Amino acid sequence: NAGVTQTPKFRVLKTGQSMTLLCAQDMNHEYMYWYRQDPGMGLRLIHYSVGEGTTAKGEVPDGYNVSRLKKQNFLLGLESAAPSQTSVYFCASSIRTGNNEQFFGPGTRLTVL
Amino acid sequence: KQEVTQIPAALSVPEGENLVLNCSFTDSAIYNLQWFRQDPGKGLTSLLLIQSSQREQTSGRLNASLDKSSGRSTLYIAASQPGDSATYLCAAFPSNDYKLSFGAGTTVTVRA
Repeated sequence: NAGVTQTPKFRVLKTGQSMTLLCAQDMNHEYMYWYRQDPGMGLRLIHYSVGEGTTAKGEVPDGYNVSRLKKQNFLLGLESAAPSQTSVYFCASSIRTGNNEQFFGPGTRLTVL
Repeated sequence: KQEVTQIPAALSVPEGENLVLNCSFTDSAIYNLQWFRQDPGKGLTSLLLIQSSQREQTSGRLNASLDKSSGRSTLYIAASQPGDSATYLCAAFPSNDYKLSFGAGTTVTVRA
């Protein structure tokens, strides 16, 4: 099993450009999450999904959109990138039942100039 | 809203010393509490998960305890090694929501 994978690993954007970050998991997990991690701010939840076709806002959703068309994929979109979105983005997934342990991807380092 | 706090923010110990990392949370209505390790520039690796009905979990040199009544969890690392140098984060999963609440982490340096 690959676990949770993220594409791309690194990206540099100019202000106003758009991009999509892809998260994929092969563990058949229902729940998927997008976080951003910034120095001094810790991990903050952007959006999450509790199942295919569903999404919900987290703590810092402004400037981001998400889609979960397939159970194994969770996409994070930036429509018009801003320097404030420079961050490391992590995707995570967990199963709905049992101990609900969260598994994280390796992260995407995004710089917006 | 759940608030998770980790004190101290940084810790430096000589090799061989036992490590004690603290995590406190404000809402005792948790489903589980998870401890993670993060190396610089890397993702989060799950170390231990304690269900709300459990008091502790052990894995090798790691032991995590949970006291819901006092809102505390402690991660013990026995006989620390330089390879244990990393940032350790705790996260509480609520019993009535879907969102994990993270502490800011404790950065550990083990000196050889």
